Amino acid sequence: GENVEQHPSTLSVQEGDSAVIKCTYSDSASNYFPWYKQELGKRPQLIIDIRSNVGEKKDQRIAVTLNKTAKHFSLHITETQPEDSAVYFCAPGYTGFQKLVFGTGTRLLVSP
Amino acid sequence: EAGVAQSPRYKIIEKRQSVAFWCNPISGHATLYWYQQILGQGPKLLIQFQNNGVVDDSQLPKDRFSAERLKGVDSTLKIQPAKLEDSAVYLCASRNRDNEQFFGPGTRLTVL
Repeated sequence: GENVEQHPSTLSVQEGDSAVIKCTYSDSASNYFPWYKQELGKRPQLIIDIRSNVGEKKDQRIAVTLNKTAKHFSLHITETQPEDSAVYFCAPGYTGFQKLVFGTGTRLLVSP
Repeated sequence: EAGVAQSPRYKIIEKRQSVAFWCNPISGHATLYWYQQILGQGPKLLIQFQNNGVVDDSQLPKDRFSAERLKGVDSTLKIQPAKLEDSAVYLCASRNRDNEQFFGPGTRLTVL
């Protein structure tokens, strides 16, 4: 089955700094690469995704970059704010089976 | 557009008892998922439905877990009998045509 790892597992930054979380996957058939944000006690929410025909996608302060050859993709958050504090999950999948495999999660803490 | 609905939000039972969870997906979403999220981990897929048919139930502990989606809309997940290790949040999600999954608020199950 798909093996999905995230690094780091915990990330602490100061408000205004940038944060980068990396996701490594094993299934070369994966063609859909989303990132989910889960605040404490809340549901996971899709924040950004990218498909395999695109190398980078940006939405305001967040961006995702994809390296299909190396089988990893990364979440970039610029100008971090305390409300960015949450657990972030990558969940690579492929549209054929419409199935996602969630990573181990990265806890981001943004200090004021 | 209404989101994914789940009930109950919380449930406390004793081991060996039975419990059932209900999910109503976003209108028009043919694909429905049940996930189990143990504290500190990412969501783990239990079962995936396409309309009223099962697409993937490879990680469903079938000796105690069952799920159905008889009319291809709402779905129920049942655990009988429950074990201590079933304590988790059970998340339902549905998927749109762009492969984006949207989660319900979840049911937090505590097995004593």
